[in-house]
Amino acid sequence: DVKVTQSSRYLVKRTGEKVFLECVQDMDHENMFWYRQDPGLGLRLIYFSYDVKMKEKGDIPEGYSVSREKKERFSLILESASTNQTSMYLCASSSRTSGFLGEQYFGPGTRLTVT
Amino acid sequence: GQNIDQPTEMTATEGAIVQINCTYQTSGFNGLFWYQQHAGEAPTFLSYNVLDGLEEKGRFSSFLSRSKGYSYLLLKELQMKDSASYLCALGARGNNRLAFGKGNQVVVIP
Repeated sequence: DVKVTQSSRYLVKRTGEKVFLECVQDMDHENMFWYRQDPGLGLRLIYFSYDVKMKEKGDIPEGYSVSREKKERFSLILESASTNQTSMYLCASSSRTSGFLGEQYFGPGTRLTVT
Repeated sequence: GQNIDQPTEMTATEGAIVQINCTYQTSGFNGLFWYQQHAGEAPTFLSYNVLDGLEEKGRFSSFLSRSKGYSYLLLKELQMKDSASYLCALGARGNNRLAFGKGNQVVVIP
């Protein structure tokens, strides 16, 4: 079974703090993704990576950065947390099959509250 | 660009059949996915359509018409545990990302 794990289920941080969210997958997937999910807005893509040290901006990258130093690990960084970054953060991974998209497997999510 | 539209909520009775629609516009189609998400949990994969027609998987079926930009998910013999949000997600040609709809909340009542 594919397993995607995230470092915390719940996190409370203060405005201005630097926040690290970690995601690890154990299926040797090439692609990894970070989303945030907010009521009424659905899942929105922040950043994704299709290989080690590669990253691509998603739809809402402002205020975030990412790091992928190893294939199994994809980190999301909030450089200076703000209250509008309070959200559920979901990590996902997928395999790159030639010509077709692989299904995405999601981690359990991190509910981040910024006060 | 891509645009995905799903109704927001529906209520159905246990044992019934419910159809969840998804319409989309895209500049380069590369597959349509359906995910189920229970409250407070992560989305889980249900089905994938890349060619026109119906894909059946137990109580769940998914249909795709690429020419109409339309898909539906059919849930048969509804059970209380099917109460969840159902997300339609569109793949775009040329990259490995998905664009998700906002989800359709299905509430199953006894």
